Amino acid sequence: DIQMTQSPSSLSASVGDRVTVTCRASEDIYKSVAWYQQVPGKAPKVLLYAASILESGVPSRFSGSVSGTTYSLTISSLQPEDFATYYCQQYYSLLATFGGGTKVEIK
Amino acid sequence: QVHLVQSGAEVKKPGASLKVSCKTFGYTFSAYHLVWVRQAPGQRFECLGWINPYTGETQYGQAFQGRVSLTGDRSLSTAFMDLSRLTSDDTAIYYCARAGRGYEHHGALDVWGQGTVVIVSS
Repeated sequence: DIQMTQSPSSLSASVGDRVTVTCRASEDIYKSVAWYQQVPGKAPKVLLYAASILESGVPSRFSGSVSGTTYSLTISSLQPEDFATYYCQQYYSLLATFGGGTKVEIK
Repeated sequence: QVHLVQSGAEVKKPGASLKVSCKTFGYTFSAYHLVWVRQAPGQRFECLGWINPYTGETQYGQAFQGRVSLTGDRSLSTAFMDLSRLTSDDTAIYYCARAGRGYEHHGALDVWGQGTVVIVSS
C-alpha cells in the first residue's frame, strides 16, 4: 500500500494566519492527490484534486502544490470557518489511502 | 442536485453481518465508480473497496477480503455494502462516495453520503 504521512497532526493558528499542511507519499503518485476538509459530525468535503486543482465553489485562499513526493495544502489567510480537520488522499493506486489528518484549532 | 443518501445507523452483535445502502441522486448511476470508506474512532480513513456500477467490477481492500461484498442495482440507482463476521474493530462511520474527479476509480471523491454509524457490541 502507498503510505501517506501527514504533518502536523494538529496546529493552533489565528484568523488571518497562513497555514500549510503537508503529506509525504511513500512513492511517486504523479499528482493523484486530493485534499479534504471535515468538520465534526459531517462527511469530508473535497477542496482540491490532482494536487492543485481547486474544486468548484472552494475559496481561492486554498491552494495545493507538490515538490517531489511531498504534497502541500496552504490556506493563505485563515478564516473562522476553516477551523476543521484536513486530510490528504492518494488515488493513484488500485485502492485509495489517506493521511492521518491535521486538526486546525483556534489559537 | 447530486447527492448520496445512506441507510441509517446500525447496532450489531459480534459475528453478525451488516448491509449498508447508498442511493444516488442527480446523475447517471452507472457513470462513476463508487468507493466505500470507513472512519473508526481515532483511526484514519480506510478504503473497503470500490465498484464500477456500469460493469459490476469490484476491488476490495486486502484487510477486508472474504468479508466484504459490494453490489449495485442500476434500476434503483443504489449501491450496497455487505460486511460479514463483524467484530468490535468494525465499529466506525461508513461512507459511500463518488469518484468523480479523475478517471474511473483513480478519482478524488467529490460527492459523499452522510455516513452510517455502525456500532458492534455484545
